Amino acid sequence: DAGVTQSPTHLIKTRGQQVTLRCSPKSGHDTVSWYQQALGQGPQFIFQYYEEEERQRGNFPDRFSGHQFPNYSSELNVNALLLGDSALYLCASSFRGREETQYFGPGTRLLVL
Amino acid sequence: AQTVTQSQPEMSVQEAETVTLSCTYDTSESDYYLFWYKQPPSRQMILVIRQEAYKQQNATENRFSVNFQKAAKSFSLKISDSQLGDAAMYFCAYRNYGGSQGNLIFGKGTKLSVKP
Repeated sequence: DAGVTQSPTHLIKTRGQQVTLRCSPKSGHDTVSWYQQALGQGPQFIFQYYEEEERQRGNFPDRFSGHQFPNYSSELNVNALLLGDSALYLCASSFRGREETQYFGPGTRLLVL
Repeated sequence: AQTVTQSQPEMSVQEAETVTLSCTYDTSESDYYLFWYKQPPSRQMILVIRQEAYKQQNATENRFSVNFQKAAKSFSLKISDSQLGDAAMYFCAYRNYGGSQGNLIFGKGTKLSVKP
């Protein structure tokens, strides 16, 4: 039973560029949430996708957008990258049908130069 | 808005000893979930233990147990018989009950070192 997977593992971009991060949820899960974890901090909620729609959003600008596909996998897109976007981006999956814990992937480390 | 506070940036414990990590939270809700997650250097966030606020009994998972004090809004994690593999960042997290399953709110974490 595969857990949550994310790609790529690491990424280096320059300011102003755009980036796309990918996440495949744990088998049987239909909901994907994205978090940003700055160095030395706890993760902060970006948004959540269910039934291919954004259902809830944290305090992040519109430069952060996402998508969910029919197979429940998800993408996080960040436009016009800033130095402050350098962080570990975590994807978590869960099953919306009942209250269940979120399971996290290994994350994508993004460095913006 | 809900907040989670972990007042111990770093803790250290001798192998085989017991250590307690502290967490306090603020909410006006009566039903919610509390979690402890472990993040080793590999970065993968791993669930350690979960507590439903409506349950008075403290959750236990093998060597890990919590002291949940709802009135005091306190949720501490006790690790018994500490092992070298327990060394990691530990995050306390809160989530509202019902509605959307998103929006886990995390503390800033406690770095636990285990001395052989």
